[in-house]
Amino acid sequence: DSGVTQTPKHLITATGQRVTLRCSPRSGDLSVYWYQQSLDQGLQFLIQYYNGEERAKGNILERFSAQQFPDLHSELNLSSLELGDSALYFCASSVAPSTGGVSYEQYFGPGTRLTVT
Amino acid sequence: TQLLEQSPQFLSIQEGENLTVYCNSSSVFSSLQWYRQEPGEGPVLLVTVVTGGEVKKLKRLTFQFGDARKDSSLHITAAQPGDTGLYLCAGGRGQNFVFGPGTRLSVLP
Repeated sequence: DSGVTQTPKHLITATGQRVTLRCSPRSGDLSVYWYQQSLDQGLQFLIQYYNGEERAKGNILERFSAQQFPDLHSELNLSSLELGDSALYFCASSVAPSTGGVSYEQYFGPGTRLTVT
Repeated sequence: TQLLEQSPQFLSIQEGENLTVYCNSSSVFSSLQWYRQEPGEGPVLLVTVVTGGEVKKLKRLTFQFGDARKDSSLHITAAQPGDTGLYLCAGGRGQNFVFGPGTRLSVLP
């Protein structure tokens, strides 16, 4: 158990809908990362937050957005869903964001499996 | 184009055999991590290496970071069925990590 929790574990929805995925980081971790993992794309970095502020963006679509709240939990919002958005979505946390030559270890949650039909 | 390449993509071996998987890049990384992921689960961190040439051992697993900090290897001695999974390497780059596509290992009893 990494200490990172994600809900829900599974989510099935229709195209065009909007969903929200939730993540609670490990106790003491201030940085949260979101990743998408599909069979053909591997693990893709989406976005990173540190202490409530967006820190870095990766391959995140404009239809997707995220935020980190004062209690440090984070939500990933996916809208206008398409079939291709079906994937595993992982949240990871670290004590601080990696900067310069210092990389902090990330701990992953169990993921949310999203199926868009 | 993947920033990190991993080889082989798939590996199926018998219990008790030794194996090495590789993680390569043309870029320099500040650190490199290895994860193991089982189906339907999140990646679990195995080790972090930060110094060029560094070697770390974790029971039957030996990790090495290349001198130039562009590549890494994972060697497993006497593989067991419990070692089965997807092995991912991730390079620390600026504020984030870049993940390789993984090596899917199957250890048959």
